[in-house]
Amino acid sequence: DIEMTQSPSSLSASVGDRVTISCRASQTIARYLNWYQQKPGEAPKLLIYAASNLQSEVPSRFSGSGSGTDFTLTISSLHPDDFATYHCQQSYSAPPTFGQGTKVEIK
Amino acid sequence: QAQLVQSGAAVQKPGASVKISCEAFGYTFVGYTIHWVRQAPGQSLEWMAWLNAGNGNIKYSEKFQDRITLSRDASASTAYMEVRGLRSEDTAVYYCAREVPIDYVWGTNRFLDDALDLWGQGTVVVVSS
Repeated sequence: DIEMTQSPSSLSASVGDRVTISCRASQTIARYLNWYQQKPGEAPKLLIYAASNLQSEVPSRFSGSGSGTDFTLTISSLHPDDFATYHCQQSYSAPPTFGQGTKVEIK
Repeated sequence: QAQLVQSGAAVQKPGASVKISCEAFGYTFVGYTIHWVRQAPGQSLEWMAWLNAGNGNIKYSEKFQDRITLSRDASASTAYMEVRGLRSEDTAVYYCAREVPIDYVWGTNRFLDDALDLWGQGTVVVVSS
């Protein structure tokens, strides 16, 4: 199975900050990488697919980049609604696997 | 509006079974694959299996293949997952999610990919004696 490792596991940030979350795959996955946002008590929500494509109705302050083994999710200016846990997931090969999550907390 | 609605919370004793339902609304159920993903308390997401709602094809995670069974009732737009031999470690929120196919061009190459674009609200399963 492909192992997905996110860093950091958690971070504290303020409204307006630029936030970057990393995701590394244990082997190359081309651009088969999705990002999800999950708020407490809620199901995950698809943010970005295929490494850099914004899902419909997701604000443009979210962006994704990377290919191969290293990927990044960037929030250009943190909004109050963005405090949540973010998960990466590879869709390159079965079984699909997720990172351990990055919790973005209010500083 | 498309949505997946799951059955309610369940409390089961160790060794028992639970069957979770996932009903689709607002889209053509048989046109998509449904995945099952679970999340133990404080843990990340763990993929369990998928079911092609159209042709009935199924793929199980090796970790769970001996203890889970997926099924569907296309006439009711509903997918099911049964988990047998429950253990305390199976205490988790269980999600169904719809897989959406993605067809895109990057540079000069065309790619076929997929993502989980629609999720159920989750079903809490507690395993306790």
